[in-house]
Amino acid sequence: EAGVTQFPSHSVIEKGQTVTLRCDPISGHDNLYWYRRVMGKEIKFLLHFVKESKQDESGMPNNRFLAERTGGTYSTLKVQPAELEDSGVYFCASSQETHNSPLHFGNGTRLTVT
Amino acid sequence: GNSVTQMEGPVTLSEEAFLTINCTYTATGYPSLFWYVQYPGEGLQLLLKATKADDKGSNKGFEATYRKETTSFHLEKGSVQVSDSAVYFCALSEDYGQNFVFGPGTRLSVLP
Repeated sequence: EAGVTQFPSHSVIEKGQTVTLRCDPISGHDNLYWYRRVMGKEIKFLLHFVKESKQDESGMPNNRFLAERTGGTYSTLKVQPAELEDSGVYFCASSQETHNSPLHFGNGTRLTVT
Repeated sequence: GNSVTQMEGPVTLSEEAFLTINCTYTATGYPSLFWYVQYPGEGLQLLLKATKADDKGSNKGFEATYRKETTSFHLEKGSVQVSDSAVYFCALSEDYGQNFVFGPGTRLSVLP
């Protein structure tokens, strides 16, 4: 089966610009998660979708970040306007069930804000 | 809240050396414990896991034992290879989503 795919793999933007990251989960996985790793620190949870609904968005840092999952398939994460501290690697993961199913991660999108 | 601490590294070893990467955790309940690995240019992959105390997870020659008394889940391998060079993340989960907590990662470089 195809794995979790993320696009783009790298993005370099200037402060104040907008960037949209995309994640395609494994087909049939209702659960989709966004995480990020900033400045080589811990990987931190951002939010969790179950199908098209936001189950938990407690990790979203502020209102410059907007995540959507229209139709319950792929998801987008938009950062607008981007700030320097948003630089890092954004990971997407999916799973079949919420409990006791392994998380399958994508390769991540490396975002650099200059 | 829950947290994971692991040795920061980087760790540099010669091929066939013994590897230990320490991981300790703090949790309010009874979490499952994981080691994930990120090879260069790739995403995170599940390396091994243990779901209850005294369980041993193993895969690709790596092992880790869930020690409740010391709240630890140290990763070990008896003889590392150059292909093991990667970043290793210890993690715990009492439930997925926000309760899936990662450590900071340990970069391992294995020299021929």
